[in-house]
Amino acid sequence: ELKVEQNPLFLSMQEGKNYTIYCNYSTTSDRLYWYRQDPGKSLESLFVLLSNGAVKQEGRLMASLDTKARLSTLHITAAVHDLSATYFCAVDMKTGAQKLVFGQGTRLTINP
Amino acid sequence: EPEVTQTPSHQVTQMGQEVILRCVPISNHLYFYWYRQILGQKVEFLVSFYNNEISEKSEIFDDQFSVERPDGSNFTLKIRSTKLEDSAMYFCASTGQAAYEQYFGPGTRLTVT
Repeated sequence: ELKVEQNPLFLSMQEGKNYTIYCNYSTTSDRLYWYRQDPGKSLESLFVLLSNGAVKQEGRLMASLDTKARLSTLHITAAVHDLSATYFCAVDMKTGAQKLVFGQGTRLTINP
Repeated sequence: EPEVTQTPSHQVTQMGQEVILRCVPISNHLYFYWYRQILGQKVEFLVSFYNNEISEKSEIFDDQFSVERPDGSNFTLKIRSTKLEDSAMYFCASTGQAAYEQYFGPGTRLTVT
C-alpha cells in the first residue's frame, strides 16, 4: 500500500524567511503533485513533477523530485503572508485508475 | 478555461437519508474520480470511473456508495443511507486520455445531522 508522509504538518514562519516542506512516499512512482488548499476551498494545482530530478519554480515556490530517494520538496523563498495555506503532496501509481494518494498536508502560517 | 463544476456547494441531510452529489467534469476528459476530505484531514480517494464502469474503489467506498454517469456530461455520487461519519467535503476530479493531471472541482460540503 502506498503511503505518503509530509513533514512538518504545521509550520509557522515569519515573512521573509525560507523553509522547506518534505514529502516522502513508500513505493516507486515518478509522478508527484503539489496542491495548495485555502480554508474551505478546493485544491489548486501548483506543480506536476514527472521524472527524477524534475525541478519546477513558480514565484517564491520551488518543487523538486528525487525518485530514488522517494522524496519531493517544496521550498519557499522569502515567504509572504499570501502563501499561508495548507499544502498537499500527492503521488499516483501510474496504473490505469491513476488514483492519487495524498499526504496529510502541511498547514503553513506566515506571520507579518 | 474549462473547469470541473459541482453541485450543490453545501448539502445538509439527516442521518439515514439518501444524497446525490453532482459533478460536471471537463468536457473531453475520460477519467473521473471522487475524493473526500473530512474536516482538517487529508484528501482520500473514493472511486475512479472510466468507460462507464468503476476502475478502482477504496475501502471507504462500500455498498452505501454508488457512482453513475447518467448522460454525457454529469457524474454523480450517491450515498444511500447517510451516516454521521459521511460528513465531509467531497471533491470530483477528472483527467483526459493522454493527461495525468487531475483537475478538481470546488467541492460539495456534506453535513449529516
